[in-house]
Amino acid sequence: EDQVTQSPEALRLQEGESSSLNCSYTVSGLRGLFWYRQDPGKGPEFLFTLYSAGEEKEKERLKATLTKKESFLHITAPKPEDSATYLCAVQTPYGQNFVFGPGTRLSVLP
Amino acid sequence: GAVVSQHPSWVICKSGTSVKIECRSLDFQATTMFWYRQFPKQSLMLMATSNEGSKATYEQGVEKDKFLINHASLTLSTLTVTSAHPEDSSFYICSARGQGVETQYFGPGTRLLVL
Repeated sequence: EDQVTQSPEALRLQEGESSSLNCSYTVSGLRGLFWYRQDPGKGPEFLFTLYSAGEEKEKERLKATLTKKESFLHITAPKPEDSATYLCAVQTPYGQNFVFGPGTRLSVLP
Repeated sequence: GAVVSQHPSWVICKSGTSVKIECRSLDFQATTMFWYRQFPKQSLMLMATSNEGSKATYEQGVEKDKFLINHASLTLSTLTVTSAHPEDSSFYICSARGQGVETQYFGPGTRLLVL
């Protein structure tokens, strides 16, 4: 069965304190791995797509990396506005659906 | 680009009534649309997948007669919650994907409260 887990469940950082979020997956094949940000009461906002091991994508303070079994979302010098839930999802080759992880709730304190 | 809208953003209804939620892709043609449900502090739960002009494919445990999905055009999908009950109260989110594109773009969500 395809599974996606994320750790930690919740993370509290001081402003400027860099850290990483983890997304681990066990799937029969990876077509793509997606990172989203979700603010309370809103729909997920697309951040990155990664397709193959070794690939990296960057956007402002965020950098996503991918290995054969997991992905990391690195947050450099976060600001309070980075506070949100970060979701990762994988797409397998044989389906058009995403398998979502449970998310990591990030709080960045000023 | 890749903007998805939902309407309404909030709806309160009485038990037993039906509610329709619209999902539109504003700047691209959505060959596939997805409907999710999300409970507080939980991740997204896929309810169904619809391809334009075809019947929706429902996930196991989702009642297709209760949650009617129509994807009549490349920019519009609707979810109708029929005979709504308090346990149907939730946050409903749609997403859309264009031809040849893997990324799903999400709408802002619709919060449904059934009294």
